[in-house]
Amino acid sequence: DTAVSQTPKYLVTQMGNDKSIKCEQNLGHDTMYWYKQDSKKFLKIMFSYNNKELIINETVPNRFSPKSPDKAHLNLHINSLELGDSAVYFCASSPYGSRVGTEAFFGQGTRLTVV
Amino acid sequence: SQQGEEDPQALSIQEGENATMNCSYKTSINNLQWYRQNSGRGLVHLILIRSNEREKHSGRLRVTLDTSKKSSSLLITASRAADTASYFCATDELGAGSYQLTFGKGTKLSVIP
Repeated sequence: DTAVSQTPKYLVTQMGNDKSIKCEQNLGHDTMYWYKQDSKKFLKIMFSYNNKELIINETVPNRFSPKSPDKAHLNLHINSLELGDSAVYFCASSPYGSRVGTEAFFGQGTRLTVV
Repeated sequence: SQQGEEDPQALSIQEGENATMNCSYKTSINNLQWYRQNSGRGLVHLILIRSNEREKHSGRLRVTLDTSKKSSSLLITASRAADTASYFCATDELGAGSYQLTFGKGTKLSVIP
């Protein structure tokens, strides 16, 4: 069974559209994340949720809005897509949202292409 | 902000050789982790070393941590073609207020059969 699953894997859409990426984890983790990986492979955290509550919101345009309906899900909605939003978006989860420090489990990524 | 920086950016070796990748970071940390990313895939955790540890082994992997120099190295011994991937270090920053991993830009390793 896939631990962290994201859908869709590929997403091609036109500028100005609104799209969502879904993420689910079946590991029972408390904390979930969204990361963006640009064309140079640099990974940057966008959001972090702990038990459905937002704990990290990096400098991300307001067009990006995460939603966590429950502890196992963290979806990412993007409004008014721009060319610069093209990237691979990774969902991840980890057991603790505190200072313990543990490994993160990543999904396979969603390659978003805005044309 | 970018925390870890891997060096070299790309590394090409023959199968059977050892591969060494380095990571430098800027702030005090709780722990440092290494991840592998195969082409077109997600990241997979390899090893975690805590700030009070100096060396850790896992199979063919050896990680060192020097907190005085704010640097870490990942050694892969007896490399295999299947080790071809990008390798990232990630730091859990001390006193950041919340748990998050900050990744470097990665080292792209190519192991030639």
